[in-house]
Amino acid sequence: IAGITQAPTSQILAAGRRMTLRCTQDMRHNAMYWYRQDLGLGLRLIHYSNTAGTTGKGEVPDGYSVSRANTDDFPLTLASAVPSQTSVYFCATGGGEHNEQFFGPGTRLTVL
Amino acid sequence: GQNIDQPTEMTATEGAIVQINCTYQTSGFNGLFWYQQHAGEAPTFLSYNVLDGLEEKGRFSSFLSRSKGYSYLLLKELQMKDSASYLCAVMDSNYQLIWGAGTKLIIKP
Repeated sequence: IAGITQAPTSQILAAGRRMTLRCTQDMRHNAMYWYRQDLGLGLRLIHYSNTAGTTGKGEVPDGYSVSRANTDDFPLTLASAVPSQTSVYFCATGGGEHNEQFFGPGTRLTVL
Repeated sequence: GQNIDQPTEMTATEGAIVQINCTYQTSGFNGLFWYQQHAGEAPTFLSYNVLDGLEEKGRFSSFLSRSKGYSYLLLKELQMKDSASYLCAVMDSNYQLIWGAGTKLIIKP
């Protein structure tokens, strides 16, 4: 693994289905984040984790849940997908020299 | 509330210089970041400012004025590959990044 990986790359999902987006890092960063990016809007924080075993809510947490069982993995779950969750989802880690964040390649999710 | 403002779109000519402005109002300040995002790709870190003044990194420079809540990203000797969106983000008092919507930069030959 080199950096941050996300899976799947893209997904089309029926409304009401459950979906887990996967994120794995090998950078040994403590902090991890989930963002969604929609046209015309800035990146919006969904959930974050400052270290393994802890999570927190961001700006738009409703309809999403996360877990952080270990340092490397930070999955995002949509319990019952709705069309407004159609978006591009980015996982990121924090821990550069200036606490800058590093991003995974993203997952493009369409909910019909 | 917290707010980051930057122009939606800018156009510039290959070889020229362009300045992308960013103004912010946030609860606390722990640094300002600029990221580049090519279409269909993830954002990548460009620059960081926490003290007033200019930080230069090759063809890219970033300026900060904390008293004015203002930053700009200066791109010199523009190349076609610089066509991308440029995202301004401020780290607030909780060490969370607040993001602007991004400025789409179009480079014309």
